[in-house]
Amino acid sequence: NAGVTQTPKFRILKIGQSMTLQCTQDMNHNYMYWYRQDPGMGLKLIYYSVGAGITDKGEVPNGYNVSRSTTEDFPLRLELAAPSQTSVYFCASSYSRMARQAAYEQYFGPGTRLTVT
Amino acid sequence: KNQVEQSPQSLIILEGKNCTLQCNYTVSPFSNLRWYKQDTGRGPVSLTIMTFSENTKSNGRYTATLDADTKQSSLHITASQLSDSASYICVVSESTGGFKTIFGAGTRLFVKA
Repeated sequence: NAGVTQTPKFRILKIGQSMTLQCTQDMNHNYMYWYRQDPGMGLKLIYYSVGAGITDKGEVPNGYNVSRSTTEDFPLRLELAAPSQTSVYFCASSYSRMARQAAYEQYFGPGTRLTVT
Repeated sequence: KNQVEQSPQSLIILEGKNCTLQCNYTVSPFSNLRWYKQDTGRGPVSLTIMTFSENTKSNGRYTATLDADTKQSSLHITASQLSDSASYICVVSESTGGFKTIFGAGTRLFVKA
């Protein structure tokens, strides 16, 4: 298993540009998440999905959109990039919460470092 | 406001020494507490997961403790190795049925030869 993969690893955007961060997992997890990590801060949840076709906002969703057309893929879309979106973005996945303790085990991708100038 | 505070912010120790990292939280109602290790430039990797009824959990040289009454957790690293150099993140989740999870800012550990 490759686990959770993310592309690209690095990207520089100009203000106002758009892009899509790709995330794929091959563990057949129902739940997928997008986080951002700013220097000296804890990870913040942007969006999450409990299954194909179902997404919901996390703590910091403004400026982002997501879709979940398949179990494996959970792309994050940035529209009209702003300097405040400069961050490291992590995608994660986990089993269903119904699996109790196993549900809490989140598997993270390697991250995408995004700079908006 | 639900918070997760970690201390110290950073720590330097010599290879072979032990160390203990602290996590205090105010998250309520409590569901579970996780410790993650994050190497530079990589995603976090789970070390331990503890629910309300568990007060200790080990993973090799890593031992986590939880005191749900005082809302404190610690991560003890025994016989440190150079590869232990990383950030260690404490994560606490609510039990309200949603996805309310608070990540601490992490403790940056440097292990020197």
